[in-house]
Amino acid sequence: IAGITQAPTSQILAAGRRMTLRCTQDMRHNAMYWYRQDLGLGLRLIHYSNTAGTTGKGEVPDGYSVSRANTDDFPLTLASAVPSQTSVYFCASSDFSVGGEQFFGPGTRLTVL
Amino acid sequence: DAKTTQPPSMDCAEGRAANLPCNHSTISGNEYVYWYRQIHSQGPQYIIHGLKNNETNEMASLIITEDRKSSTLILPHATLRDTAVYYCIVRAIIQGAQKLVFGQGTRLTINP
Repeated sequence: IAGITQAPTSQILAAGRRMTLRCTQDMRHNAMYWYRQDLGLGLRLIHYSNTAGTTGKGEVPDGYSVSRANTDDFPLTLASAVPSQTSVYFCASSDFSVGGEQFFGPGTRLTVL
Repeated sequence: DAKTTQPPSMDCAEGRAANLPCNHSTISGNEYVYWYRQIHSQGPQYIIHGLKNNETNEMASLIITEDRKSSTLILPHATLRDTAVYYCIVRAIIQGAQKLVFGQGTRLTINP
């Protein structure tokens, strides 16, 4: 069982380019999340999805979009990357059981130049 | 969600119990206390959560004060692998996505 996988592991991107970070889970969890982590700021929620076909905005959604076409996949797209989007991005998932602990992926380190 | 306050850093000797405090004085009756940790460069890892009773699992124990305004995460026999940033989060459990708010956490260093 892989849990949550993210791709790529790291990426260097020119400003203005479009980029999609991939996230796949094999636990059949209803909910999925995208966080970014910056030095000194902790993890901040970008977008989330309660279930396939629905998405919602988190704390810092500007400049990012997501889609949830099926249960397993939750890609995060930067339509036109800017240097302030340089960060480590973590995908997570959880089910709806009481407690609903979140399982996190290994992260994608993105550098926008 | 209620705000939490944690010390920025702590040290503990290997083999000893590590006690990590968290203040959440504005916690509401329906809010749970969650603990996650993040080992360097990895994704956060769930540890434990509780409402008002003390909880224990294979990783740790969670002690919540009777007034629920503070809690302590206990790692009973800390190892070097427990060196990480520990996050205390207060969140109501609702149906659907659990939008966790991570603060700065406590950087725990286990010393040999």
